[in-house]
Amino acid sequence: GENVEQHPSTLSVQEGDSAVIKCTYSDSASNYFPWYKQELGKGPQLIIDIRSNVGEKKDQRIAVTLNKTAKHFSLHITETQPEDSAVYFCAAGGTSYGKLTFGQGTILTVHP
Amino acid sequence: DTAVSQTPKYLVTQMGNDKSIKCEQNLGHDTMYWYKQDSKKFLKIMFSYNNKELIINETVPNRFSPKSPDKAHLNLHINSLELGDSAVYFCASSQTGELFFGEGSRLTVL
Repeated sequence: GENVEQHPSTLSVQEGDSAVIKCTYSDSASNYFPWYKQELGKGPQLIIDIRSNVGEKKDQRIAVTLNKTAKHFSLHITETQPEDSAVYFCAAGGTSYGKLTFGQGTILTVHP
Repeated sequence: DTAVSQTPKYLVTQMGNDKSIKCEQNLGHDTMYWYKQDSKKFLKIMFSYNNKELIINETVPNRFSPKSPDKAHLNLHINSLELGDSAVYFCASSQTGELFFGEGSRLTVL
């Protein structure tokens, strides 16, 4: 089955800096790569996703890049703000009834 | 108007008891899921139903029994609770790949 590795497990940045979180996956058949943000006491919420026919996607301060050959994808957050502080999860899947395998999560802390 | 709602939000119970968590979605999605999030925040799929039919069962102990009375509801019943069942259980629904999660049900087994 699919295996997703996510790094780093914790990331601390100053407000205004950029943050990058990286994930690798094992199943070359995976074709859908979403990123979720989980705030304390809440369920994960989709922030951006990318499909395997696209190499990069951007939405305001958030961007995701995908390298299918190397089987890795990354989340980039620019001009970080304290409200970006949360746990971020990458996931891979799309091959079987929408089954997603999640990475281990990254705790992002943005210091004012 | 909550898209995916689950009850109860908190559940504290003794080992050996049986408990249920209910989930409802008003998004009209065909597929619903149960995910388990352990103390290290790791999210793992347990079950998935598509139009009331079980399609994913991820080697979960048979003490866990999901039930989908209709495509808007997916409940989770757990028999003979064990300490290791303590976790946050998330219900989710999907139509085109994006998962919409509920707020979670924190289960504590004493």
